Amino acid sequence: QVQLQESGPGVVTPSQTLSLTCTVSGASISSGDYYWSWVRQHPGKGLEWVGYIFHTGTTYYNPSLKSRLTISMDTSENHFSLKLTSVTAADTAVYFCARFGVPPRRHFDYWGQGTLVTVSS
Amino acid sequence: QSALTQPASVSGSPGQSITISCTGTRSDIGGYNYVSWYQQHPGKAPKVIIYEVTNRPSGVPDRFSGSKSGNTASLTISGLQAEDEAEYYCSSYTGTSTRVVFGGGTKVTVL
Repeated sequence: QVQLQESGPGVVTPSQTLSLTCTVSGASISSGDYYWSWVRQHPGKGLEWVGYIFHTGTTYYNPSLKSRLTISMDTSENHFSLKLTSVTAADTAVYFCARFGVPPRRHFDYWGQGTLVTVSS
Repeated sequence: QSALTQPASVSGSPGQSITISCTGTRSDIGGYNYVSWYQQHPGKAPKVIIYEVTNRPSGVPDRFSGSKSGNTASLTISGLQAEDEAEYYCSSYTGTSTRVVFGGGTKVTVL
């Protein structure tokens, strides 16, 4: 059974860096069959793709976040991480990690439970 | 503003059928058969109910079905049940630098 679990601070100070980790069990992030992804949801709003990383380390970012975003992976720990710099209140959201398949499975098949990150002083 | 356009809300009585539309462009829905639909209950993670336009994952009831015509995809729920009350999001892979786009979500209410 594939499981993803987000972890990280629930509160981040404005202008600081938001850091989250997604620990994966039941699957290897070294697999070439999936992109390991971050999706966020602002309070009461819809879903927004943040970005993802392939097993090669290649990353793809939402252009609206690209200048502040880094997604990385640690295959020895089987987890991947998100760092978002210079955060503002607009980055307050529930952050989900999820698995996105390569063709023909281009959809998110497993999700973490999500973690609320509030940007506040 | 979301890249894909969905109605904000749809409602129906138990046993009825409802359809949710999702309109994009030829860069996303119109260009690829990688449309997926997600069901999200309050406080929960989204769950995929349709992928590749028409496919249902194992365990998803067959009252959920998907289709596509041109730049518009649709999700139909036949025989609406109380547990179907939730938010529904469409999504598509794109050929742009924004690799994945979502709709704004549709709140389904079972009357």
